[in-house]
Amino acid sequence: ILNVEQSPQSLHVQEGDSTNFTCSFPSSNFYALHWYRWETAKSPEALFVMTLNGDEKKKGRISATLNTKEGYSYLYIKGSQPEDSATYLCAFSGGSYIPTFGRGTSLIVHP
Amino acid sequence: DSGVTQTPKHLITATGQRVTLRCSPRSGDLSVYWYQQSLDQGLQFLIQYYNGEERAKGNILERFSAQQFPDLHSELNLSSLELGDSALYFCASGRDEGTSYEQYFGPGTRLTVT
Repeated sequence: ILNVEQSPQSLHVQEGDSTNFTCSFPSSNFYALHWYRWETAKSPEALFVMTLNGDEKKKGRISATLNTKEGYSYLYIKGSQPEDSATYLCAFSGGSYIPTFGRGTSLIVHP
Repeated sequence: DSGVTQTPKHLITATGQRVTLRCSPRSGDLSVYWYQQSLDQGLQFLIQYYNGEERAKGNILERFSAQQFPDLHSELNLSSLELGDSALYFCASGRDEGTSYEQYFGPGTRLTVT
C-alpha cells in the first residue's frame, strides 16, 4: 500500500496571508503528481500535474514545486483570499499509473 | 463545469439490490476513472478504462464491475449492495491511458444504501 501523506491536516489563515502545505509520497518509481482543489459540495478540480523532478507550476496566486528524489511536493498560495477556502488534495502515481490520494489539507481563509 | 457528466446525482436503494452508475467523459478524452469517497476513507481509486479496455484496477470489490462502451461512456455496476457501500462515487476522464495529463472529475453520484 502506497503512503501519500499531506500536512498539515487543516490550516486557518487570515485574508492576505501566504501559506503552503506539503504532500509526501514514495520516492521510487515516480510517474506523476497531481494537485486538486476540492470545495465543499463540489467535485475535485485539477490544479496541476507534475511529472519531472524540479517542476514548478503556477496558476495565478497558486504555485507548486516537485522533488521526486526526496518524495515531496509543496503547494503555495500567495495572498490567500476567502474564496481559496477548500480542501487541497494531492495524488501520486507510480509506474502502475494507479493514483493514490492523500487525505487532503483543509484550508480556511478568514476575512 | 468540467465537461464530465454523471447520472444519477442521487440514488437511494436497499441492501441486496443492484444499481448502475453512468459517466460520460469530456469530449476527446479516452480514459475513464472511477473513484469512491466514503466518510471514513479518502478518495479511493476503483478502476480505469482506456478506449474501451480495462487499464488498471484498484481496491474494487468483486461485487462491483465496470465497462466502457464504444462511445466511451462508462458504467459502474454495484450488486448485492451492503450498507457500507454508501458513498460518493466519482468518475473522472483523462486524455490518455497514463496520468501525465489532468483528470477532470464529474459531479459525482451519492449512493445511499438503506
